[in-house]
Amino acid sequence: DAGVTQSPTHLIKTRGQQVTLRCSPKSGHDTVSWYQQALGQGPQFIFQYYEEEERQRGNFPDRFSGHQFPNYSSELNVNALLLGDSALYLCASSLEGMNIQYFGAGTRLSVL
Amino acid sequence: AQKVTQAQTEISVVEKEDVTLDCVYETRDTTYYLFWYKQPPSGELVFLIRRNSFDEQNEISGRYSWNFQKSTSSFNFTITASQVVDSAVYFCALMGNAGNMLTFGGGTRLMVKP
Repeated sequence: DAGVTQSPTHLIKTRGQQVTLRCSPKSGHDTVSWYQQALGQGPQFIFQYYEEEERQRGNFPDRFSGHQFPNYSSELNVNALLLGDSALYLCASSLEGMNIQYFGAGTRLSVL
Repeated sequence: AQKVTQAQTEISVVEKEDVTLDCVYETRDTTYYLFWYKQPPSGELVFLIRRNSFDEQNEISGRYSWNFQKSTSSFNFTITASQVVDSAVYFCALMGNAGNMLTFGGGTRLMVKP
């Protein structure tokens, strides 16, 4: 039973560029959440997708956007990258009605 | 607003010692859930436990135990007879009744030395 998988594992971009991160949820899960974890800090909620719609959003600017596909996989897009966007981006999946979130290993984004 | 505080940023123990990781939370919700996750160097957050606000029974799972006290808004985690493999960053998190987002504390880095 595959867990949550994220790609790529590492990414290096320069300021102003755009990036797309991908997530495949755990088998049977229909809800995907994204978190940003800066070095030495706890993860911060970006948004959650369910039934291909953004259901809830944290305190992140519109430069952060996402998408969920019919197979429940998801993408996180960040436009106009800033140095401060350098972080570990974690994807978590869950089953609607069950609030335990299972996390992937993350994508480490470095913005130079 | 919800908040989780883990006052211990780093703890170092010698193998076989017992260690307690503290977690204090703030919420105005009457129904909420508390979680503990472990983050090894690989980066993946590993789910350890979930408790709801109506169940204050302490829980034990092998060497792990959790103490939930609503009166002090605390949800502490104890590892008995620690092992080197327990070395990781541990996060306490809160989920309120309004949504599905987890609010995390800043984490406690546990180092278990042989």
